[in-house]
Amino acid sequence: GENVEQHPSTLSVQEGDSAVIKCTYSDSASNYFPWYKQELGKRPQLIIDIRSNVGEKKDQRIAVTLNKTAKHFSLHITETQPEDSAVYFCAASKGGGADGLTFGKGTHLIIQP
Amino acid sequence: DAGVIQSPRHEVTEMGQEVTLRCKPISGHDYLFWYRQTMMRGLELLIYFNNNVPIDDSGMPEDRFSAKMPNASFSTLKIQPSEPRDSAVYFCASSVGGQRYEQYFGPGTRLTVT
Repeated sequence: GENVEQHPSTLSVQEGDSAVIKCTYSDSASNYFPWYKQELGKRPQLIIDIRSNVGEKKDQRIAVTLNKTAKHFSLHITETQPEDSAVYFCAASKGGGADGLTFGKGTHLIIQP
Repeated sequence: DAGVIQSPRHEVTEMGQEVTLRCKPISGHDYLFWYRQTMMRGLELLIYFNNNVPIDDSGMPEDRFSAKMPNASFSTLKIQPSEPRDSAVYFCASSVGGQRYEQYFGPGTRLTVT
């Protein structure tokens, strides 16, 4: 089955700096790669996603890049703010919305004031 | 829309008891997913349904776990008998399917088995 590796497990950055979280996946048939943000005690919330026919997608301060050849994708957050502090999960699936997600182990992002 | 609804939000039970978790997906969503989150194993898919039919239950840990979806607006996840290692947060999620890929999560049920 699919295996998703996520790094780093913890990332501490100064407020205003950029943060990058990286994931690799094992199954070349995967075609959908969402990123979720989870605050303590809350549900995972979708913040951005990318499909396999696209190399990059941006939404304000958040961007995701996908390299299908290398089977890795990354989340980029620019101009970080205190409210960006949370755990971020990457995921992959083979069937778009018609398949379950395989998640990475998560990255605890800490924004230092 | 109210989003995905789960009940109860918290459940504390003793080992050996039966536990039933409930989920109401977003109206019009054809796919329903059950996930479990623990510190050790992270977020993992247990089972998912399409149009009320179970499609993939390979993530269900053992026969003590069962899930049903009797209609488009209701699903249950049952654990019988429960064990301390079942303690986790159980999330239900739903998606429209087709060309709409996004999965929306419910608030979760925090289960503690003593």
